[in-house]
Amino acid sequence: GENVEQHPSTLSVQEGDSAVIKCTYSDSASNYFPWYKQELGKRPQLIIDIRSNVGEKKDQRIAVTLNKTAKHFSLHITETQPEDSAVYFCAANRYSGGGADGLTFGKGTHLIIQP
Amino acid sequence: SAVISQKPSRDICQRGTSLTIQCQVDSQVTMMFWYRQQPGQSLTLIATANQGSEATYESGFVIDKFPISRPNLTFSTLTVSNMSPEDSSIYLCSVNRNTEAFFGQGTRLTVV
Repeated sequence: GENVEQHPSTLSVQEGDSAVIKCTYSDSASNYFPWYKQELGKRPQLIIDIRSNVGEKKDQRIAVTLNKTAKHFSLHITETQPEDSAVYFCAANRYSGGGADGLTFGKGTHLIIQP
Repeated sequence: SAVISQKPSRDICQRGTSLTIQCQVDSQVTMMFWYRQQPGQSLTLIATANQGSEATYESGFVIDKFPISRPNLTFSTLTVSNMSPEDSSIYLCSVNRNTEAFFGQGTRLTVV
C-alpha cells in the first residue's frame, strides 16, 4: 500500500518568512495530493491540492509543487501570518472515474509562527 | 462542499463496552470512509464503506473490532467493540466530492 513520509515534524518560522513542508510517497499509482490544515480541536480542512498531471499550483500565499519522477511534493507558504500556526498534513490517494480511494496521510508538521 | 453530521461528538466509555458512532451526509455518496486520529497523531484510514457490500478494512483493522454498517447512500455507523484504553482516539468519517475529502467533526472517545 501507499506510504507517505512528511518532514519536518515541527517547523518554527518568524512571521513574514516562508515555510516549506516536504512529503514523499511510495505508490506510483497515486495521482492526487492534497494538503490539510488542522487547528487544535477542529477537523482537517483542505488548503490546496494537486493532481499528478500538474507540476505546480498556487493559491495566493500557498503553493504546492509535485515531482512525479522523484515522488516528492511540497507545500510552500509565503509571508507567514500568526493564523498560519496549525498542524499541516500531506496526503496521497488514487482518483479515477469511479471515485477516489481513502487517503494516506503523512505524520503531520506542527507549524509555529513566531511574532 | 459536503455537510457531514457525526455523533456523538465525544464520549467517555468503560473498558469492555462498545460505542457506535453515526455519520450522516447531506447527499448521496458511493463511498464513506472512517479514520482514526490518535492523540497528537496523524489520521489513519480504518475502512471504506460501500452501500450494499461489506466494508473494506485496512491493514491492522478487523471487522470484529470495528464493525461498520452502510444501510443507505447517506448514512454509516462505526462501532468500536470491546474497548480498551488504547482505543482512546478521535474517530472521523469522511466523504469525497470530486477529489476533495470532507470530514465530520469527529468523535472524541476516551476509554477508562
